Amino acid sequence: GAVVSQHPSRVICKSGTSVKIECRSLDFQATTMFWYRQFPKQSLMLMATSNEGSKATYEQGVEKDKFLINHASLTLSTLTVTSAHPEDSSFYICSAIRQASNYGYTFGSGTRLTVV
Amino acid sequence: GEDVEQSLFLSVREGDSSVINCTYTDSSSTYLYWYKQEPGAGLQLLTYIFSNMDMKQDQRLTVLLNKKDKHLSLRIADTQTGDSAIYFCAERAGNTGKLIFGQGTTLQVKP
Repeated sequence: GAVVSQHPSRVICKSGTSVKIECRSLDFQATTMFWYRQFPKQSLMLMATSNEGSKATYEQGVEKDKFLINHASLTLSTLTVTSAHPEDSSFYICSAIRQASNYGYTFGSGTRLTVV
Repeated sequence: GEDVEQSLFLSVREGDSSVINCTYTDSSSTYLYWYKQEPGAGLQLLTYIFSNMDMKQDQRLTVLLNKKDKHLSLRIADTQTGDSAIYFCAERAGNTGKLIFGQGTTLQVKP
């Protein structure tokens, strides 16, 4: 159990366009999901915490208008990179925690975004 | 604040034991985790330990926690080439529930 599906796994887009990444918990309800960004050979940087039915909480330095997060249901959170630029190219990973769970943050398989 | 530190690289021979070390700063951490990441993939939870435990063993994996020194280690027995990956230590911040990751340790297993 505890599977998180993230789509797409890879996307190439042109500068100035927007890209939506989906994160779904397949077999459990996730009141909280997290979005991370990972640069090559670096650690995961937490971008925001997404709570179902409320606004996301962004980490310091992360542009809210640039990275739009929506968590409309207990099984789906989306990250939209708006007006993408080459510096937004990165590996984006979501994770979800099972409702009332004390352990086991489950991670999606990640999305490789390349902006050309 | 919350900070997690790991050594960046470890190289071992197949069949040897690997020990990956991690230090953290948040004394209110409730859970500590080890994740494995293979190239181009997401993170796979390997094991976790609750902050009131000293040791946890799961097949080839042994986690040791020294809460006084805020030091966590992961020992992999009989390391195989398939264990080559990046290993991340993470702490669950006590007051926010956020996961804070270390920089990751690249484990290289030589045949």
